Amino acid sequence: DSGVTQTPKHLITATGQRVTLRCSPRSGDLSVYWYQQSLDQGLQFLIQYYNGEERAKGNILERFSAQQFPDLHSELNLSSLELGDSALYFCASSVAPGQGNSPLHFGNGTRLTVT
Amino acid sequence: AQKITQTQPGMFVQEKEAVTLDCTYDTSDPSYGLFWYKQPSSGEMIFLIYQGSYDQQNATEGRYSLNFQKARKSANLVISASQLGDSAMYFCAMREGPHNNDMRFGAGTRLTVKP
Repeated sequence: DSGVTQTPKHLITATGQRVTLRCSPRSGDLSVYWYQQSLDQGLQFLIQYYNGEERAKGNILERFSAQQFPDLHSELNLSSLELGDSALYFCASSVAPGQGNSPLHFGNGTRLTVT
Repeated sequence: AQKITQTQPGMFVQEKEAVTLDCTYDTSDPSYGLFWYKQPSSGEMIFLIYQGSYDQQNATEGRYSLNFQKARKSANLVISASQLGDSAMYFCAMREGPHNNDMRFGAGTRLTVKP
């Protein structure tokens, strides 16, 4: 168990809808990362937060947004959903930027299916 | 920009034999970390091993070792005495320096261990 909790585990919704994915980082970790993994693909970095502030942004669509709250949990909001947004969305956490040798600890992911 | 290349989409190995999974990377930052993750069919991301750019010795963790050739910018994962449970996707990843803390992943290699 990595200590990173993601909810829900599965989500099925229709095109055009909006969903929110939730992540609670490992106890003591200040930084949260979101990744998207489409079928049989690698992990695409979406966005990183550190202690409530956006730290780095990757290939995140404008229809997607995220935030990290004061209790350090994070939410990824996906709107105007398209079929191509169907994927496994991972949240990961680590202690802090500057610790380049610390691995990311991943949650079990939220599998989103857009129909 | 960071770039991770895994040139082997799929690999087969006989049980109890050793296997090497290739990873090359590209960065202009002298400080970076290299990571390997395992993703079994159940989907979770499991951290295996880490190598820092300034580490003098190759990293080892149980049956996993990392063949780090800095001048060639390669960080190959060696799995010794393969087991059926090693069948999974394996991802190489890199994190640059102390100030850019996002982690980027390669496309992955699917390893199948044959009995």
